[in-house]
Amino acid sequence: GDSVTQMEGPVTLSEEAFLTINCTYTATGYPSLFWYVQYPGEGLQLLLKATKADDKGSNKGFEATYRKETTSFHLEKGSVQVSDSAVYFCALIGNAGNMLTFGGGTRLMVKP
Amino acid sequence: DVKVTQSSRYLVKRTGEKVFLECVQDMDHENMFWYRQDPGLGLRLIYFSYDVKMKEKGDIPEGYSVSREKKERFSLILESASTNQTSMYLCASSLDWGHSYEQYFGPGTRLTVT
Repeated sequence: GDSVTQMEGPVTLSEEAFLTINCTYTATGYPSLFWYVQYPGEGLQLLLKATKADDKGSNKGFEATYRKETTSFHLEKGSVQVSDSAVYFCALIGNAGNMLTFGGGTRLMVKP
Repeated sequence: DVKVTQSSRYLVKRTGEKVFLECVQDMDHENMFWYRQDPGLGLRLIYFSYDVKMKEKGDIPEGYSVSREKKERFSLILESASTNQTSMYLCASSLDWGHSYEQYFGPGTRLTVT
């Protein structure tokens, strides 16, 4: 079945540092890929998406590129802020259905 | 803004008790979902509903049931709570199947079964 693997956290960075959170997936065909973010005490919210190979999703300074050849969708941000501290989930919807499959989540902690 | 609310943020129950978790969405969404969130395991789908009185099992339905009597409300029921059901429970909704990727989540209920 479909699966998503994320780097284990927590990831601890200083403010203005460069962020990369790795995400790789296993799925047949051409899934759609997503990043969700969960801020402390809140529910998950969709951060960005990419629906076909080489698409780049972007939002709030975050970017991720759908790489079919490496089955990856790594999340990046050039300069993180304390307010970016949250748990980030990579997810996919495969061709076979409409259900989201989530990765394990990566906690990001940004220190001033 | 879509708002998904859950009846409790924290809940403590005893083994064997019947537990009800309530979820309400205010945007007339067709689909509603119940997940549990455990460290390192991400979110796992328990049940979902695509219409009133309609439900489908997710990946881990054992020990749970659901009810959707009204479009805006989706309840998760633990018939006889056990300690391995201690977890964070998240409810979500989406507009319809064409938008099932864009789910709106409630803040979660942290359930502890002792």
